[in-house]
Amino acid sequence: ETGVTQTPRHLVMGMTNKKSLKCEQHLGHNAMYWYKQSAKKPLELMFVYNFKEQTENNSVPSRFSPECPNSSHLFLHLHTLQPEDSALYLCASSQDLGGVGNEQFFGPGTRLTVL
Amino acid sequence: AQKVTQAQTEISVVEKEDVTLDCVYETRDTTYYLFWYKQPPSGELVFLIRRNSFDEQNEISGRYSWNFQKSTSSFNFTITASQVVDSAVYFCALSEHNFNKFYFGSGTKLNVKP
Repeated sequence: ETGVTQTPRHLVMGMTNKKSLKCEQHLGHNAMYWYKQSAKKPLELMFVYNFKEQTENNSVPSRFSPECPNSSHLFLHLHTLQPEDSALYLCASSQDLGGVGNEQFFGPGTRLTVL
Repeated sequence: AQKVTQAQTEISVVEKEDVTLDCVYETRDTTYYLFWYKQPPSGELVFLIRRNSFDEQNEISGRYSWNFQKSTSSFNFTITASQVVDSAVYFCALSEHNFNKFYFGSGTKLNVKP
């Protein structure tokens, strides 16, 4: 595997379900990110992790719970979601947060539908 | 106020035409980075270019070129001799001195017709 991978690619869940999105980067990067992309809206940064430590929580509702067990893996745990949470969830990584290495590399995304 | 504005929601051109995608940004920082990404129908954002605020030289990479103008806070992207494979949504983004923050524009959907 190369680059940034995400599983599952598609997910349909009910509002009472609990599910998790997984992201893995094979680039040796230190920073990882979760974004939400809704139709006709800019990408919304949700969470940022640097060396496994959360450095940013962009006022995300608690029904989204991130987990970063190591620099290569990032999870997004979902529970009691709302239909408006349906979106494409993108994971990204970058070598570092700042300086010359801060371009982000994205995974293919998980298309989430909440019924 | 939006940090990154891409005023063109959707553009349609015929193959081989040149097309310019506009990006205007807003920041008070003197150190910042600008980016362009391409998102094809598959969904994955592909990194195209990074430009730092101290380097105003225009850049050309094959059919792609970028025009960075600090005086007008713009970072426009031109595709020369467009091809059908260029059809995608293109995002401009800004990273400020606090590099936790990435601001993406709303994207410009480019349709290149044969």
